Amino acid sequence: AQSVSQHNHHVILSEAASLELGCNYSYGGTVNLFWYVQYPGQHLQLLLKYFSGDPLVKGIKGFEAEFIKSKFSFNLRKPSVQWSDTAEYFCAVSASSARQLTFGSGTQLTVLP
Amino acid sequence: EAGVAQSPRYKIIEKRQSVAFWCNPISGHATLYWYQQILGQGPKLLIQFQNNGVVDDSQLPKDRFSAERLKGVDSTLKIQPAKLEDSAVYLCASSIPQSEQYFGPGTRLTVT
Repeated sequence: AQSVSQHNHHVILSEAASLELGCNYSYGGTVNLFWYVQYPGQHLQLLLKYFSGDPLVKGIKGFEAEFIKSKFSFNLRKPSVQWSDTAEYFCAVSASSARQLTFGSGTQLTVLP
Repeated sequence: EAGVAQSPRYKIIEKRQSVAFWCNPISGHATLYWYQQILGQGPKLLIQFQNNGVVDDSQLPKDRFSAERLKGVDSTLKIQPAKLEDSAVYLCASSIPQSEQYFGPGTRLTVT
């Protein structure tokens, strides 16, 4: 069975600061990787996904993530955060042979104006 | 395109009572999922349907939880009897093959 670890439970940044949220997973086979975001009062939305190909994935709103297979990592990055990025961010993984998602515990990002 | 619909949005019940949640997936999405999200944790899969068949219910507490998707479209999740530890947000998601899951707004259940 797979598992996902998100190292930071709460991150506080000022606007224009750079962001990197860590995500590590454990699974021995081929995986699909996702970052979902939940803005206050809204439902989970997909930020970006990795299925195969270029390990550097670009998503919506200027976010990107890099899949490093040797490190079992899929860290989320954004060069300059905005107040509107305040939200909870979830990393998730599924085995390529199945579609069930295993989520990390989430990282609450607070961006100060 | 309409998203995943869920109802009710909020529910408060006493322990030992029963409760049911409803989900209508995005049209054409054959796969439907129910997740439980306890406060401070990520969503945890309870059950996965492919059309009207169960693909995975290994994490569903079957002594009290049940789910069905009789016509392969909408689905209901039931808890009977509820316990305090069932307080959580219950999320429904749907997908098509080789694509991401789309989530509904969830039902927030409080068991007192």
